[in-house]
Amino acid sequence: QKEVEQNSGPLSVPEGAIASLNCTYSDRVSQSFFWYRQYSGKSPELIMSIYSNGDKEDGRFTAQLNKASQYVSLLIRDSQPSDSATYLCATTGAGKSTFGDGTTLTVKP
Amino acid sequence: GAVVSQHPSRVICKSGTSVKIECRSLDFQATTMFWYRQFPKQSLMLMATSNEGSKATYEQGVEKDKFLINHASLTLSTLTVTSAHPEDSSFYICSAPRQGGVNTEAFFGQGTRLTVV
Repeated sequence: QKEVEQNSGPLSVPEGAIASLNCTYSDRVSQSFFWYRQYSGKSPELIMSIYSNGDKEDGRFTAQLNKASQYVSLLIRDSQPSDSATYLCATTGAGKSTFGDGTTLTVKP
Repeated sequence: GAVVSQHPSRVICKSGTSVKIECRSLDFQATTMFWYRQFPKQSLMLMATSNEGSKATYEQGVEKDKFLINHASLTLSTLTVTSAHPEDSSFYICSAPRQGGVNTEAFFGQGTRLTVV
């Protein structure tokens, strides 16, 4: 079992829709969870971090964490074509990040 | 926010030659940096942990004699791909954790696209 697993893609949504990205992790002691966005040929960039159970909202992005279920998700509201990218879920311990394989999102105009 | 600079962004080299990639933390000190490799349509895979003042720690399956890591100062780590082969062609990315606190996030360099011909 992979340490961090993401729902298989690719995911395609129409512009303006909600995109839902899911992630599960196996290490129960993980405390920090991150969502990174990676455009093709570029480095990942952090878009959301979440450390405690519940929801965290930042603009059009909402991260949800459920430690009991070892589940973290990312919702993107009012999806835009510029949101088309690969989204990586990661947990971090002692600065070392463990990434999921990523979910490629395409937002169609 | 913290900035990590990686250089070069793109390099093409001939088989058998060596390539050095630099990773610098610009506004903070990083006693630890991480080197990742990413093949097309795959996730980032940790290659090694670079430790300032001591030997790097390599992940299983990564050849330490081929991928030389030197963390010479608190702001600089280098990865040298020795005797490069076409199968070493990949996207190499370094990262450094944000200083302090329990909940750390990784700051990434811009990445280096290595092509071995």
